[in-house]
Amino acid sequence: GESVGLHLPTLSVQEGDNSIINCAYSNSASDYFIWYKQESGKGPQFIIDIRSNMDKRQGQRVTVLLNKTVKHLSLQIAATQPGDSAVYFCAESDYKLSFGAGTTVTVRA
Amino acid sequence: DAGVTQSPTHLIKTRGQQVTLRCSPKSGHDTVSWYQQALGQGPQFIFQYYEEEERQRGNFPDRFSGHQFPNYSSELNVNALLLGDSALYLCASSSARDGYTFGSGTRLTVV
Repeated sequence: GESVGLHLPTLSVQEGDNSIINCAYSNSASDYFIWYKQESGKGPQFIIDIRSNMDKRQGQRVTVLLNKTVKHLSLQIAATQPGDSAVYFCAESDYKLSFGAGTTVTVRA
Repeated sequence: DAGVTQSPTHLIKTRGQQVTLRCSPKSGHDTVSWYQQALGQGPQFIFQYYEEEERQRGNFPDRFSGHQFPNYSSELNVNALLLGDSALYLCASSSARDGYTFGSGTRLTVV
């Protein structure tokens, strides 16, 4: 079965608001996680990653939070833009990537 | 653009037929992984090739096979196609110094 999963399959957000996408994982030994964005007709695109020795990492308009106690991570997107509309996946990375089912984010104008 | 190139972009096959999908990795990458993405699902790992050998394999039947060439490009072969093999097939290349880069995929429809 899947080792990672997302809480909500869809998320609708107003342009300019912040988005939060959640993900749970089951393997407590997992030590490297990646968030991907997949637009229609394209392959997954790297957004940000985090290792288990960190609990927070920031990029441009994105922040990933990792809570190892409850085996949960989240992706926060600041000031969501129409170009952020896509499917977002969290993935556990060891010798391969193990993806969850994805959250579809729709940005309302 | 030195990204990952996959061909063809789309194809339609009949049940029982065989198909070959191709992938050219990003410049500087020596490892190629293949994933199957069913509609509405996350990608599922099929196998990974490094130094022309299958290094890791996911939970896919032997109908799925692959090859890696000396120039690091790769092929995915699927024999005896089933309707359930209809999916987007993604190739991802990587190296020891760089993470995964995905191609745009091949959309396979089995009828």
